[in-house]
Amino acid sequence: AQSVTQPDIHITVSEGASLELRCNYSYGATPYLFWYVQSPGQGLQLLLKYFSGDTLVQGIKGFEAEFKRSQSSFNLRKPSVHWSDAAEYFCAVGENGGATNKLIFGTGTLLAVQP
Amino acid sequence: GAVVSQHPSRVICKSGTSVKIECRSLDFQATTMFWYRQFPKKSLMLMATSNEGSKATYEQGVEKDKFLINHASLTLSTLTVTSAHPEDSSFYICSAIRSGTQYFGPGTRLLVL
Repeated sequence: AQSVTQPDIHITVSEGASLELRCNYSYGATPYLFWYVQSPGQGLQLLLKYFSGDTLVQGIKGFEAEFKRSQSSFNLRKPSVHWSDAAEYFCAVGENGGATNKLIFGTGTLLAVQP
Repeated sequence: GAVVSQHPSRVICKSGTSVKIECRSLDFQATTMFWYRQFPKKSLMLMATSNEGSKATYEQGVEKDKFLINHASLTLSTLTVTSAHPEDSSFYICSAIRSGTQYFGPGTRLLVL
């Protein structure tokens, strides 16, 4: 069965420091991959997505993610974190390569930003 | 980007009453919408897939008679929690599909007293 793993439940970084949030997926073919961000009490906002093509994907708010098939990973990165980036981040994979439009979510990583 | 709205943003109701939550795609038409439930500090749990003009498809373990879904138009899906009980208190989020991507609404906080 398809799954998404976000190994880090909680991460704290200092403002201005770089950030990498890990995401591993299980799927035999080329996956549809997504990163969403959720601020407290809010819905999810799409940061970026990968369907095919260039494995380095640029998103909003200065985020990027790199699809690495050999490692079954789609880690999210940002070179310099801002206090407003504090939120929960969810990695997701499209079920059956996006065929059903359903998403399988990871358990999320809560990011705290220290001044 | 695609915009999805939900109404109300929060609602408090008495046990035994029914509550309707609306999900609208504001700048696009969506034949498919999804309804999720999110528990505190937890990931999203898919409840059902809402298809315009047809019956919703419910995930295993979700009571279809309790969580009524209607997708009457290409821009509106509704979730009605019938005979609500305190255990139904939760954060309900909808999403709509556009070009293979889910765009989420801001969520509805339901508190059943």
